[in-house]
Amino acid sequence: GAGVSQSPSNKVTEKGKDVELRCDPISGHTALYWYRQSLGQGLEFLIYFQGNSAPDKSGLPSDRFSAERTGGSVSTLTIQRTQQEDSAVYLCASSPGSVIRGTEAFFGQGTRLTVV
Amino acid sequence: SQQGEEDPQALSIQEGENATMNCSYKTSINNLQWYRQNSGRGLVHLILIRSNEREKHSGRLRVTLDTSKKSSSLLITASRAADTASYFCATDRNSGGYQKVTFGIGTKLQVIP
Repeated sequence: GAGVSQSPSNKVTEKGKDVELRCDPISGHTALYWYRQSLGQGLEFLIYFQGNSAPDKSGLPSDRFSAERTGGSVSTLTIQRTQQEDSAVYLCASSPGSVIRGTEAFFGQGTRLTVV
Repeated sequence: SQQGEEDPQALSIQEGENATMNCSYKTSINNLQWYRQNSGRGLVHLILIRSNEREKHSGRLRVTLDTSKKSSSLLITASRAADTASYFCATDRNSGGYQKVTFGIGTKLQVIP
């Protein structure tokens, strides 16, 4: 597609339920990032993919959070047993992933997750 | 601590004034980028400066990079109300053979008409 696409754009869920957030990166981009942003706060790094592998998962806040990427393309961020503190905007970005091809990150519009 | 830290965290100026935001980082980098975010949604790329460059201009934006001090600044000249947004710096560096982009916490700029 023309840009990074995230779905759903908004999600309201009950505490304790599992949620899946989807990211469709720009075709051909090998690097994919997930960030979380609470209201009025900065970007909190969650996980970084290069192709299908995740060399850096250091930002995942707990074992309730997991992410995968298949076919070097679509990525899914799963939050199990959601808690109210998980409420935030979840942002996905992709980039070509190399100095030669470019490292500019292109962002989706995010998924606003509200846990009630 | 986090690679790429901006200061100030919040800045309020009058329309027409210049706005300067700073970014510091800790490890060596390939490039440094600045992004803008409106309304808490996706970030938009503004400008990239390479590690061998010292200054770069794009319209009303001027970016400087001092690799000896591991710092960068973003200057917005003749600010407008529409410049009100959050601004983030991002560094990219080698990580396990790949290029990883890391963002700072951002500066919230308010331009008062």
